[in-house]
Amino acid sequence: SQQGEEDPQALSIQEGENATMNCSYKTSINNLQWYRQNSGRGLVHLILIRSNEREKHSGRLRVTLDTSKKSSSLLITASRAADTASYFCAPAGGGSEKLVFGKGTKLTVNP
Amino acid sequence: DTGVSQDPRHKITKRGQNVTFRCDPISEHNRLYWYRQTLGQGPEFLTYFQNEAQLEKSRLLSDRFSAERPKGSFSTLEIQRTEQGDSAMYLCASSSPRAMNTEAFFGQGTRLTVV
Repeated sequence: SQQGEEDPQALSIQEGENATMNCSYKTSINNLQWYRQNSGRGLVHLILIRSNEREKHSGRLRVTLDTSKKSSSLLITASRAADTASYFCAPAGGGSEKLVFGKGTKLTVNP
Repeated sequence: DTGVSQDPRHKITKRGQNVTFRCDPISEHNRLYWYRQTLGQGPEFLTYFQNEAQLEKSRLLSDRFSAERPKGSFSTLEIQRTEQGDSAMYLCASSSPRAMNTEAFFGQGTRLTVV
């Protein structure tokens, strides 16, 4: 399956700082997706990066993808308390439509 | 259409009872997924439909779990003879048919507590 593994499992930073979380996976992909989950809520799609892309930006989010290392990173710049959430990566492809999630990175942004 | 809708949002049931959850996907989405999530864990894949066909089913889905999508629109997930270990958040998601591996849109989930 295409499960991604996020690292670190938990991250605590101060408001205004940048937050970086990483994702590793094991097989070839069509794309890799990042999701955010606020406590007790459903997941929200943040950004999708295709296998032929190396970097993608969306507002304060920057995602990189290195298919040779089978890894991705999500950078949140100028973090806010509202960014406090769990973040999940989902490598997608391999002939399956399902998304398989790891345990995520729990980000806490302290005001 | 405001997104994926799940009903109920919360369910408390006694051990041994049957429960059924409903998911209404975004109207033009033909793909529908069910996930289960326990505290501190990521969502765990249960099953996936394309239109009315159930194309994938996790080995984790015991015989007590069944999902249907009879007309390719809404879906139901039934758990028979519930056990305390079934207590979890059950998430539904849908995605568009316009391309492979497109982003999934999640509902707010149904939180099940088995007492």
